[in-house]
Amino acid sequence: DVKVTQSSRYLVKRTGEKVFLECVQDMDHENMFWYRQDPGLGLRLIYFSYDVKMKEKGDIPEGYSVSREKKERFSLILESASTNQTSMYLCASSPPLAGSYEQYFGPGTRLTVT
Amino acid sequence: DAKTTQPNSMESNEEEPVHLPCNHSTISGTDYIHWYRQLPSQGPEYVIHGLTSNVNNRMASLAIAEDRKSSTLILHRATLRDAAVYYCILREGGAGGTSYGKLTFGQGTILTVHP
Repeated sequence: DVKVTQSSRYLVKRTGEKVFLECVQDMDHENMFWYRQDPGLGLRLIYFSYDVKMKEKGDIPEGYSVSREKKERFSLILESASTNQTSMYLCASSPPLAGSYEQYFGPGTRLTVT
Repeated sequence: DAKTTQPNSMESNEEEPVHLPCNHSTISGTDYIHWYRQLPSQGPEYVIHGLTSNVNNRMASLAIAEDRKSSTLILHRATLRDAAVYYCILREGGAGGTSYGKLTFGQGTILTVHP
């Protein structure tokens, strides 16, 4: 069974804290993605990575950074958490030439910033 | 990114077929049509995808119009577990693409299944 796992299902952090969200996939996929999901706004892409140490900005990268030191792991970093970053965060992975392949999602991390 | 249009919501009865429509009039020749669904409190789940021909898998069927400007996801016998938000997404598939297959989600169709 293919798997994308995320480090936490629920997380509560204070404003100004540095937050790390971890994602691990066991499918040897080249592409990995971070999305956030908010009511009424749907899923929006924050960052993606197509190879180790490579990254590309998505549609809403402001306030976030990412790290991909190993192929299986893609981390999302909130340098200084703010209340408007309270959201559901979803990680996904897929093979290259991705249009013809499905994208696999993790269960999500619900982050609350107080 | 090419855009899709779906109805906000649809309802069905258990054991009946469900046809979920999607319009994508600006689709390009290399775009794949993907469908995902999201059950409450879970991440999105792949359902099916296709390029030009109709497709079947264990979960659903995908009917693609000849001009590719629209498609329909068909659940042959809806169950209560099929109640979810269904997303129709165009995904760049060409070898020269730069989007690396990122998914651009719209609002999707909320499917309610009645017992």
